Amino acid sequence: NAGVTQTPKFQVLKTGQSMTLQCAQDMNHEYMSWYRQDPGMGLRLIHYSVGAGITDQGEVPNGYNVSRSTTEDFPLRLLSAAPSQTSVYFCASSLLGRPGDNEQFFGPGTRLTVL
Amino acid sequence: LAKTTQPISMDSYEGQEVNITCSHNNIATNDYITWYQQFPSQGPRFIIQGYKTKVTNEVASLFIPADRKSSTLSLPRVSLSDTAVYYCLVQSSGAGSYQLTFGKGTKLSVIP
Repeated sequence: NAGVTQTPKFQVLKTGQSMTLQCAQDMNHEYMSWYRQDPGMGLRLIHYSVGAGITDQGEVPNGYNVSRSTTEDFPLRLLSAAPSQTSVYFCASSLLGRPGDNEQFFGPGTRLTVL
Repeated sequence: LAKTTQPISMDSYEGQEVNITCSHNNIATNDYITWYQQFPSQGPRFIIQGYKTKVTNEVASLFIPADRKSSTLSLPRVSLSDTAVYYCLVQSSGAGSYQLTFGKGTKLSVIP
């Protein structure tokens, strides 16, 4: 099993550009989540999904869109990048329960810089 | 939104037991408290989870007092490879909203 994979590993954008961060898992997990990690801030939940076709907002959803068309994939879209979105983004999945109910498996992260 | 407080950093010598405490409020009786470990340039890794009293696994113990306003992660006999950042995670649900709160992390440095 590859576990949770994320692409790209690094990305530099200009203000106003859009892009999609990819996340995939091969563990047949129902629950997937996106977090951002900023220095001194811990991880903050952006969006999460409890299954294909179902998504919900987390603590910091503004400026991000998600969709879940398959169990395996959970892409995160930045519609119009802003410098405040410079961060490290982590995708995670868990077999059962909400993100905080069970062990989450995290991807390696995407480091995004917005100029 | 539940709030959490952890020490920013801790130092320990190899072979010692390390206890890291996280203070938290506004968590429901049956909501889990979870701890993660993170090495530089990697995603967090699950350590342990519980919602009351004491939980133990092969790498750590988790102590949760009856009032559930804090939890303590205990790492027995730490080694250099335990140098990492440790995060507590709590969740709260109410009024139809779901909230997940990571602590800001405790950087543990293990000294030879």
